Amino acid sequence: DTEVTQTPKHLVMGMTNKKSLKCEQHMGHRAMYWYKQKAKKPPELMFVYSYEKLSINESVPSRFSPECPNSSLLNLHLHALQPEDSALYLCASSLGQGGNTEAFFGQGTRLTVV
Amino acid sequence: EDQVTQSPEALRLQEGESSSLNCSYTVSGLRGLFWYRQDPGKGPEFLFTLYSAGEEKEKERLKATLTKKESFLHITAPKPEDSATYLCAVRGAGGTSYGKLTFGQGTILTVHP
Repeated sequence: DTEVTQTPKHLVMGMTNKKSLKCEQHMGHRAMYWYKQKAKKPPELMFVYSYEKLSINESVPSRFSPECPNSSLLNLHLHALQPEDSALYLCASSLGQGGNTEAFFGQGTRLTVV
Repeated sequence: EDQVTQSPEALRLQEGESSSLNCSYTVSGLRGLFWYRQDPGKGPEFLFTLYSAGEEKEKERLKATLTKKESFLHITAPKPEDSATYLCAVRGAGGTSYGKLTFGQGTILTVHP
């Protein structure tokens, strides 16, 4: 089983709303990632968690707040977003953060900020 | 900084017309090169991992190869269902590259019946 599950699949939110994206995997992976993907562009790394600790923050604005409650779950809390934040948000996981371990992606959450 | 360049940007093939996609990379200590397939509006689907020059991996009509500077994804006798964006990504050894998957811009493949 190489499944990474993301909820919700679609989300529309206003600029003053607070919402959360959720990601779950049961593969025993210890590294989890958030990526942002705009149309016709490759995924762009936002955050990396390794063993439930934040390992990499790619200078992401504070209106995006990641959380890793346990080794299977990853959340992305959203607050006061801008329309330009509309994108496909992808969660991924891999056995470890380094090495040649492949990352498996979820189907993404299509976020629209109005 | 790791860099990945994919070519061509777009490729249109007739069904059964074999071809290759290219991924050139610059990375500090390659730990892995990964190929993904992405359908519109979906997450990338893992295809292959390569990590040493000369390595080859195959899956159905796809074959991935690796040299010290580039990787090729060969598509033999493609079918319309192979139409997708193919992404190449690398992971480097350490420093600022550690843990990061750096993606190329992708090749949009369209296979016509």
